[in-house]
Amino acid sequence: QQQVKQSPQSLIVQKGGISIINCAYENTAFDYFPWYQQFPGKGPALLIAIRPDVSEKKEGRFTISFNKSAKQFSLHIMDSQPGDSATYFCAASMRGYSTLTFGKGTMLLVSP
Amino acid sequence: GAGVSQSPSNKVTEKGKDVELRCDPISGHTALYWYRQSLGQGLEFLIYFQGNSAPDKSGLPSDRFSAERTGGSVSTLTIQRTQQEDSAVYLCASSLGAGVGETQYFGPGTRLLVL
Repeated sequence: QQQVKQSPQSLIVQKGGISIINCAYENTAFDYFPWYQQFPGKGPALLIAIRPDVSEKKEGRFTISFNKSAKQFSLHIMDSQPGDSATYFCAASMRGYSTLTFGKGTMLLVSP
Repeated sequence: GAGVSQSPSNKVTEKGKDVELRCDPISGHTALYWYRQSLGQGLEFLIYFQGNSAPDKSGLPSDRFSAERTGGSVSTLTIQRTQQEDSAVYLCASSLGAGVGETQYFGPGTRLLVL
């Protein structure tokens, strides 16, 4: 059972464009939603995270939008750059637990 | 400062052999996690340590998989009688504590190939 569904599987965006990656979940016990960025040959690194008590969080060019009623959250990368080309994973953890449930990842390519 | 380190970085083994994968967490981090990353499958949770105890082993796929942590630091993931489906990248992460929202810092992973 896949508890966090991520789409699209891959994404190509032109430099300067907006990259949007979506995730959906079913388990209402999830209450922490991080996004991780992974470059080839490296481990994932935390990019930005949100709790369900807010609908949006912005850090630089990266924004998480959170829709609690729809049980969906998304990552928006503004002014996408070639250096943003990486695999992005959404994740979630349940109240009282620290282990993460990950989506299957989105491979982003930003063309110059 | 030093991040999470894992060794070996690559391991090729024959089906049926045992393998040991090592993780050195960030100094002072009490929580340690093992995940498995298979092609197109995202990251799959295997086991979590708080100190030397493993309160959550729910992700271990079979009894061929085991892990231990000693001295609240280094952890070893052991796979006995390896199978081709065990081929994957095994990632270790550590965090300062085990509370929700604690950032998990990942190592570069061990790429395991079972022939």
